[in-house]
Amino acid sequence: QQPVQSPQAVILREGEDAVINCSSSKALYSVHWYRQKHGEAPVFLMILLKGGEQKGHEKISASFNEKKQQSSLYLTASQLSYSGTYFCGLNAGGTSYGKLTFGQGTILTVHP
Amino acid sequence: DVKVTQSSRYLVKRTGEKVFLECVQDMDHENMFWYRQDPGLGLRLIYFSYDVKMKEKGDIPEGYSVSREKKERFSLILESASTNQTSMYLCASSLRLVSYEQYFGPGTRLTVT
Repeated sequence: QQPVQSPQAVILREGEDAVINCSSSKALYSVHWYRQKHGEAPVFLMILLKGGEQKGHEKISASFNEKKQQSSLYLTASQLSYSGTYFCGLNAGGTSYGKLTFGQGTILTVHP
Repeated sequence: DVKVTQSSRYLVKRTGEKVFLECVQDMDHENMFWYRQDPGLGLRLIYFSYDVKMKEKGDIPEGYSVSREKKERFSLILESASTNQTSMYLCASSLRLVSYEQYFGPGTRLTVT
């Protein structure tokens, strides 16, 4: 079952902040976040592991709440280069091996 | 630099044709993946492979098969293409299965008419 991302789309002005949420109905082992710019391949942002700490990458960070089975991606002081579609990919661990189940994506548009 | 390449960026095939999509990675990664991407549905896993000649079904394997004869190459096969297989197909690879980032290829836009 696919995780649910919210919001589906968000529009920002440069310098504004945004939060993208990813929720699952299954217990999670790890969460991956990727960004895909139009016409390009998805690019890895970060992984959060069960029991791990909040991760950061430039001005983008994320958290992982195991009890709530959800993750949030935080984009602060957004830049034009942040525009794209953001996907969370969830791994349930155990017999799922390294299989990731991706959300439907959140389209982020940053305007000058 | 990490590189995943796919044989074609655009492909047009007729209904009923057998279609081969090729993916090559140059990073000596153990694991390779095939996804399809459709608007509003995100990335859905078709098959993955964790070793040469080994494969596992993903979430939507029906109508597809795969082949991995060499570590660097992973092929997706549509035995008899249908119009509902028109999609963007993305290949990815990762060093290990768990907790490792996936590197994606540029994608193949397949149109079945």
